[in-house]
Amino acid sequence: SQTIHQWPATLVQPVGSPLSLECTVEGTSNPNLYWYRQAAGRGLQLLFYSVGIGQISSEVPQNLSASRPQDRQFILSSKKLLLSDSGFYLCAWRGSTVEQPNTIYFGEGSWLTVV
Amino acid sequence: KNQVEQSPQSLIILEGKNCTLQCNYTVSPFSNLRWYKQDTGRGPVSLTIMTFSENTKSNGRYTATLDADTKQSSLHITASQLSDSASYICVVSAGYPLTGGGNKLTFGTGTQLKVEL
Repeated sequence: SQTIHQWPATLVQPVGSPLSLECTVEGTSNPNLYWYRQAAGRGLQLLFYSVGIGQISSEVPQNLSASRPQDRQFILSSKKLLLSDSGFYLCAWRGSTVEQPNTIYFGEGSWLTVV
Repeated sequence: KNQVEQSPQSLIILEGKNCTLQCNYTVSPFSNLRWYKQDTGRGPVSLTIMTFSENTKSNGRYTATLDADTKQSSLHITASQLSDSASYICVVSAGYPLTGGGNKLTFGTGTQLKVEL
């Protein structure tokens, strides 16, 4: 079965410090991977998506970057965090089954508080 | 601009009662509509996904309907349980791909449901 693992679950970082959130998917190969951010009271916003190793597309300009060093690994990074980077970050992958084609499966999320 | 609006913003019901959540969208071209359940501090979990030709789809006590003409969807929860307390998010997929990365999704802000004894 496919699983998605995202960590760390929570972190508090000072302004100007670096960030690294990691996401791995198991049980599938060459998945489409996504990073979303969910700000309080707002819908999920797509930040980055990747269709393969080293292939990253950005949906919105921002202080963050993403990388995909391995087929099932997706990393969200920042060199210097801003207060506005606080939020709930979700990694996701796109599955395809007969029952639910093109379903997006989300990780457990990472709470980031920049202080 | 693609938009998804959900109502009510929050809802409190007694255990065992039924409820219906609404979703209106202006997404074009339409591909499919999904309902997710998100427990506090957790990632969303898929409940249903419906394409243009589907009017209703059930998943246990959850039944989703879709009216593509009026661009409205509803999620009906039957015989609610305490564990149904969560945020329910309506997500609409536009019919153009993210350059091979799947279709572009527009998320509603969710309806926060609380089920009480």
